[in-house]
Amino acid sequence: GAVVSQHPSWVICKSGTSVKIECRSLDFQATTMFWYRQFPKQSLMLMATSNEGSKATYEQGVEKDKFLINHASLTLSTLTVTSAHPEDSSFYICSARSYGYTFGSGTRLTVV
Amino acid sequence: AQSVTQLGSHVSVSEGALVLLRCNYSSSVPPYLFWYVQYPNQGLQLLLKYTSAATLVKGINGFEAEFKKSETSFHLTKPSAHMSDAAEYFCAVSDGGGDKIIFGKGTRLHILP
Repeated sequence: GAVVSQHPSWVICKSGTSVKIECRSLDFQATTMFWYRQFPKQSLMLMATSNEGSKATYEQGVEKDKFLINHASLTLSTLTVTSAHPEDSSFYICSARSYGYTFGSGTRLTVV
Repeated sequence: AQSVTQLGSHVSVSEGALVLLRCNYSSSVPPYLFWYVQYPNQGLQLLLKYTSAATLVKGINGFEAEFKKSETSFHLTKPSAHMSDAAEYFCAVSDGGGDKIIFGKGTRLHILP
């Protein structure tokens, strides 16, 4: 079946630094990828939708200059959290769409 | 706009008892509906999905859900709970056109021995 690989699974970074999270579709081409954020014991909130070769569409309230999304190929999308702060600490999950929606295993980001 | 409402943030059932997790949806177009399960610090696993075919959808691990348009519901059931079913369950909706998935707030299922 369709597999999405998300790396890293967890990362700790210092406040003010940037962190990149990768999302790869391993055995299919994903024209659209989605990025979600999940706070502890809460639901998944959609951050943005990215289509290969075009700019991402951000949900209302999501800072596009802080959460940079790149979808340069049909199998890879990246989310870069720039100038991270402790309030950016969260669980980030990507999803790739082909015939269905396949989710990555998530990235636990802790900013100290 | 589409949305789903999950009734009950926590549900507890005894091992071997019926599991019923409730989900109601709101959509201006025929929806696609999903149930996902999430174990701690992991991604989401698709249990089942409704895509306008049969109204009774069977999924993995013995779960099933029934789409009821008249009640705008898509409740998840399992005849006999197992300890391994303890997890967070999310109901979700999309418009079927390849658009984004919107998630409910989730229901934590506890299994009592």
